[in-house]
Amino acid sequence: GQQLNQSPQSMFIQEGEDVSMNCTSSSIFNTWLWYKQDPGEGPVLLIALYKAGELTSNGRLTAQFGITRKDSFLNISASIPSDVGIYFCAGRPRGSNYKLTFGKGTLLTVNP
Amino acid sequence: DGGITQSPKYLFRKEGQNVTLSCEQNLNHDAMYWYRQDPGQGLRLIYYSQIVNDFQKGDIAEGYSVSREKKESFPLTVTSAQKNPTAFYLCATRTDLVGDTQYFGPGTRLTVL
Repeated sequence: GQQLNQSPQSMFIQEGEDVSMNCTSSSIFNTWLWYKQDPGEGPVLLIALYKAGELTSNGRLTAQFGITRKDSFLNISASIPSDVGIYFCAGRPRGSNYKLTFGKGTLLTVNP
Repeated sequence: DGGITQSPKYLFRKEGQNVTLSCEQNLNHDAMYWYRQDPGQGLRLIYYSQIVNDFQKGDIAEGYSVSREKKESFPLTVTSAQKNPTAFYLCATRTDLVGDTQYFGPGTRLTVL
């Protein structure tokens, strides 16, 4: 199946720092979604993007749908300890029958 | 309270037994999905259903079966033919009322003893 390359795999930062992670693909996507997952829980949707170039914020989180339609990034500003978790991207490839492709996730650790 | 319910949260099964995982939703979403999550891997699609009484195999359907008799319910059966069933199973629903978005349930951790 199609692959999404998500980076970095893990990040260890100090509280208050900004964080950036991204996903790239070799093919065009029509939708980009960003989720956060806590251990043993289901993923929670953070931001959804539907148009190339779209920039959307949700509190301290900002995500963008790349102009080429092959990438997306997620930024977290002024990180706090509760930001700890796994963040992963998902996208719907052009021509897909409502199926998503998922990145493998970025593990974020925030040191108080 | 609206949402997606998966039960049980933890499930233990002896090797060779079939087991059914429950997924119920009251969001009135048409499409429902089952994913499997293993450490270090992205979510992998097992089965999905876009409407009642219809479902399609995903990327790793072997050893699993589903039914969609009601809009609200999409149970997943893990059969004894599934060679490595221990995993975290996630149910999701999809809406296109505002774009194309999937929402996940809380998950069921299945352990085969």
